[in-house]
Amino acid sequence: DSGVTQTPKHLITATGQRVTLRCSPRSGDLSVYWYQQSLDQGLQFLIHYYNGEERAKGNILERFSAQQFPDLHSELNLSSLELGDSALYFCASSARTAFELANYGYTFGSGTRLTVV
Amino acid sequence: AQSVTQLGSHVSVSEGALVLLRCNYSSSVPPYLFWYVQYPNQGLQLLLKYTSAATLVKGINGFEAEFKKSETSFHLTKPSAHMSDAAEYFCAVSDSGAGSYQLTFGKGTKLSVIP
Repeated sequence: DSGVTQTPKHLITATGQRVTLRCSPRSGDLSVYWYQQSLDQGLQFLIHYYNGEERAKGNILERFSAQQFPDLHSELNLSSLELGDSALYFCASSARTAFELANYGYTFGSGTRLTVV
Repeated sequence: AQSVTQLGSHVSVSEGALVLLRCNYSSSVPPYLFWYVQYPNQGLQLLLKYTSAATLVKGINGFEAEFKKSETSFHLTKPSAHMSDAAEYFCAVSDSGAGSYQLTFGKGTKLSVIP
């Protein structure tokens, strides 16, 4: 158990639908990062939240959004789903400072496998 | 922008043989570099990290990597492969722009170990 919890583990939904993926970071970590892993694109950074605030955006589609709540859990919302959105979605948590990153690195959850049919 | 190149999408070695997985990076600033391993149907597990301390970094499961600035490389090695090492390995560089530290990953190298 990495300490980062992602739910659900598997999700099957139809095109056009909307889903919410949830991530609880490791205790004490203020940062949550979301990544998408697909066969054609590999691992892509989507978005980073720190203590409730958006800090950086990567290759995130406009149909996707995220937020981080006061208890530090984060949700990734995917809407108007397309077949190409089928992928593994990971979240990772880390401590904020460079010093802490050097000592603890990132901790990944086990991912949510999304299948759009 | 940071980038990572992993040479060889598939590498096969015999059990007991040397494992060498190659990673080259580009970075405009001294980087933080990582190797992660992903077993089938599982998440990413940190193997080791370089963060500007010793250039030879030891990780879990007998793996180590050497940071070579002149070659912009961070190759992963293990002296003797074990069947349990069969997995996909990802090299990543941390982009510290604006204090975000998001990771840029290579495409991954799938390691097969032949008995």
